[in-house]
Amino acid sequence: GENVEQHPSTLSVQEGDSAVIKCTYSDSASNYFPWYKQELGKRPQLIIDIRSNVGEKKDQRIAVTLNKTAKHFSLHITETQPEDSAVYFCAARRSNYQLIWGAGTKLIIKP
Amino acid sequence: DGGITQSPKYLFRKEGQNVTLSCEQNLNHDAMYWYRQDPGQGLRLIYYSQIVNDFQKGDIAEGYSVSREKKESFPLTVTSAQKNPTAFYLCASGGAWGDTGELFFGEGSRLTVL
Repeated sequence: GENVEQHPSTLSVQEGDSAVIKCTYSDSASNYFPWYKQELGKRPQLIIDIRSNVGEKKDQRIAVTLNKTAKHFSLHITETQPEDSAVYFCAARRSNYQLIWGAGTKLIIKP
Repeated sequence: DGGITQSPKYLFRKEGQNVTLSCEQNLNHDAMYWYRQDPGQGLRLIYYSQIVNDFQKGDIAEGYSVSREKKESFPLTVTSAQKNPTAFYLCASGGAWGDTGELFFGEGSRLTVL
């Protein structure tokens, strides 16, 4: 069936370093790929998204890249800060317009 | 203050009891969703509704029921038929058919079955 695999499940980086989280999807018809951030005890919030007609999108310290041929997309966070500590979820939109989600990556920023 | 509100935040239930979780939004969104969040499993779709008086089963609908009588409201009932109901439940809203992409989430309801 359709699925989205997300890696790693936990990522620990030194403050100021970069973090990369990767997702692969199975449905070749998927055309929209959002990333959500969920801080501890809070609701998930959209931080960046990308549509299938572009290969990369940036917003300040975060960027997302998409490789449609390989069916994978990645979240890049540069110059990490303590407030980046959270669980990050990737998702892919299916042909019925519903999202299928990755299992999440817990990002830990070490001081 | 616009947003999406879930209640209650915490709920305890005895086995064999039904329980209803409330979800209300004032964002004028057509679509509303219920997700279940378990550790290490991401978000799994229970039910969704793209328009009033219509809803569709998601990936894990068994043991749950919903209604969509008003645009603003999408309550979820966890029935006694749900084998493992202890979980964190998230309600979300957005544009119909994903036209705006972004989903707005409530703060969640944590259900514990005793």
